[in-house]
Amino acid sequence: QSALTQPPSASGSPGQSVTISCTGASSDVGGYNYVSWYQQHPGKAPQLMIYEVTKRPSGVPDRFSGSKSGNTASLTVSGLQAEDEADYYCSSYAGSNNVVFGGGTKLTVL
Amino acid sequence: EVQLVQSGAEVKKPGESLRISCKGSGYSFTSYWISWVRQMPGKGLEWMGRTDPSDSYINYSPSFQGHVTISADKSISTAYLQWSSLKASDTAMYYCATSSSAWDFDIWGQGTMVTVSS
Repeated sequence: QSALTQPPSASGSPGQSVTISCTGASSDVGGYNYVSWYQQHPGKAPQLMIYEVTKRPSGVPDRFSGSKSGNTASLTVSGLQAEDEADYYCSSYAGSNNVVFGGGTKLTVL
Repeated sequence: EVQLVQSGAEVKKPGESLRISCKGSGYSFTSYWISWVRQMPGKGLEWMGRTDPSDSYINYSPSFQGHVTISADKSISTAYLQWSSLKASDTAMYYCATSSSAWDFDIWGQGTMVTVSS
């Protein structure tokens, strides 16, 4: 199975909003509402930020939001803060008890 | 506190076998699936497969089927990932993670770095 497609990089200034896309197919992103987003700081384990397309785990700031349209999911970070600088990965259920991840996006806070 | 604690870093030679572990605590170990995720140096995340510790049911990503073995011992709240014959390309950080809902990973271990080099 192919990995989901994410832009390699994204950036924004403090206080701005940035949106990261995650493009798949009707067999994964488009076919199920099981898209998740993870934040990973250098040298650290990933952290779940969004699950089931739009849901936020407790403790995740409401500046983080998720959405989906067709075969593309998106993560929006509003009110960018310095600590948001990290790598972000999307994942999706892909049927047949399988999960695929995106290639990752490095978010830089300018 | 819910946590997954993984075994320490390993340095192995090609052809050697290896088993790394992931011990759960602070929750009912048999209630949630445990997945394994690979991250090669400087690269992204790859889902390898998962086990249901309550009955040891396992399913693998097609990319990893036949290359690794996932297992769990519910009596000691521990999941395992093992190789019978390591290759240099197995060099990576390996994470275990739980899934309390369907297909997301909400609690992660700290990672185990595996280095395979002659």
